[in-house]
Amino acid sequence: EAQVTQNPRYLITVTGKKLTVTCSQNMNHEYMSWYRQDPGLGLRQIYYSMNVEVTDKGDVPEGYKVSRKEKRNFPLILESPSPNQTSLYFCASARDRAADTQYFGPGTRLTVL
Amino acid sequence: AQTVTQSQPEMSVQEAETVTLSCTYDTSENNYYLFWYKQPPSRQMILVIRQEAYKQQNATENRFSVNFQKAAKSFSLKISDSQLGDTAMYFCAFLKGAGGTSYGKLTFGQGTILTVHP
Repeated sequence: EAQVTQNPRYLITVTGKKLTVTCSQNMNHEYMSWYRQDPGLGLRQIYYSMNVEVTDKGDVPEGYKVSRKEKRNFPLILESPSPNQTSLYFCASARDRAADTQYFGPGTRLTVL
Repeated sequence: AQTVTQSQPEMSVQEAETVTLSCTYDTSENNYYLFWYKQPPSRQMILVIRQEAYKQQNATENRFSVNFQKAAKSFSLKISDSQLGDTAMYFCAFLKGAGGTSYGKLTFGQGTILTVHP
């Protein structure tokens, strides 16, 4: 089944404890992206990747890191999480470019205490 | 920077009726894409419809259609024959076209919660 998977789905952590949210797609998509969703703000793009080893900042990259060493994986790293990073996070992928249909993962609910 | 505004935080409609969700955007670009995404209570994000700015014809997908007014920078979504399964949050989104920097950066509006009543 073609899909985007994220792990973990739910995470409660404490300020300053490094964490990684994994994202993997099995559709051989070129484009991948991370978003956060907050009430009243919609979705905001954190980082995106047009291809392996190519990443670019979205609108809210501060406090996050990403890497794209393989086509299928695009992990989101929070080196020192803070409470303002408490949010719902989505990973997405698209076949060749951002204008193609984006397939979203199920979301990761992160709480930073 | 591009901005996308959805001025209707919540809307409601009776089953089988028609409803229109509004979206305006601000950009100096001439080549871009616009999207409507649906997020039902399951939280899964689903593409509803896509419009390419260079196409004058409004996009249509079954019961969903858009009214794209490029000069006015308006991109509304019309849902005809509303169904209970249309209950969701709807997001409008903007993507700058290829050929420059920041291609790949997607900007979303704040969302509109649509409730379809039986």
